Amino acid sequence: ELKVEQNPLFLSMQEGKNYTIYCNYSTTSDRLYWYRQDPGKSLESLFVLLSNGAVKQEGRLMASLDTKARLSTLHITAAVHDLSATYFCVRQGAQKLVFGQGTRLTINP
Amino acid sequence: ETGVTQSPTHLIKTRGQQVTLRCSSQSGHNTVSWYQQALGQGPQFIFQYYREEENGRGNFPPRFSGLQFPNYSSELNVNALELDDSALYLCASSPKGRQGATYEQYFGPGTRLTVT
Repeated sequence: ELKVEQNPLFLSMQEGKNYTIYCNYSTTSDRLYWYRQDPGKSLESLFVLLSNGAVKQEGRLMASLDTKARLSTLHITAAVHDLSATYFCVRQGAQKLVFGQGTRLTINP
Repeated sequence: ETGVTQSPTHLIKTRGQQVTLRCSSQSGHNTVSWYQQALGQGPQFIFQYYREEENGRGNFPPRFSGLQFPNYSSELNVNALELDDSALYLCASSPKGRQGATYEQYFGPGTRLTVT
């Protein structure tokens, strides 16, 4: 069974700091996604990672994938308040997406 | 290009009642998946429909059922509502190509269901 585990589950950080969210998964599969969710809202796709060594960057967020270690990371550089949200690591199963528990990120001024 | 839409946005029902949630897929997408997201948790896969047939199901009881129509829109029906069914219900659509190939899923805004 495909399982996805994220850590930390809660992260409070100051503006301007850097931090990394880690995502471990149990079995190999096609692709890995990172989604963002604001409170009470739907899911916004941030990154799709397709192969070992893939790295994608958008603004202050950078995601990477290591399929040998079954690990993905989401790195936040010089955090700003607008990045406060819950971030989900998601693996693609046969038909379904399998979500991690989510990391609730709070960025304080 | 129209994205995924869902209706209603909010719904309040009483335990034991039945509810129908609706989803219109993004243009060009023939696959619809439904997810349940309880408060503070990640979404859980309910089932997927491809070309009007169920194409995979998660660990949900039979009182959760669905339909997909020829225009690829979909309904999620829940019978005999329980308090634990209170959640955000998300619909996602995707194009589906050759056998077994699944592509990125695009999520709708969700329906917030409250069961009292």
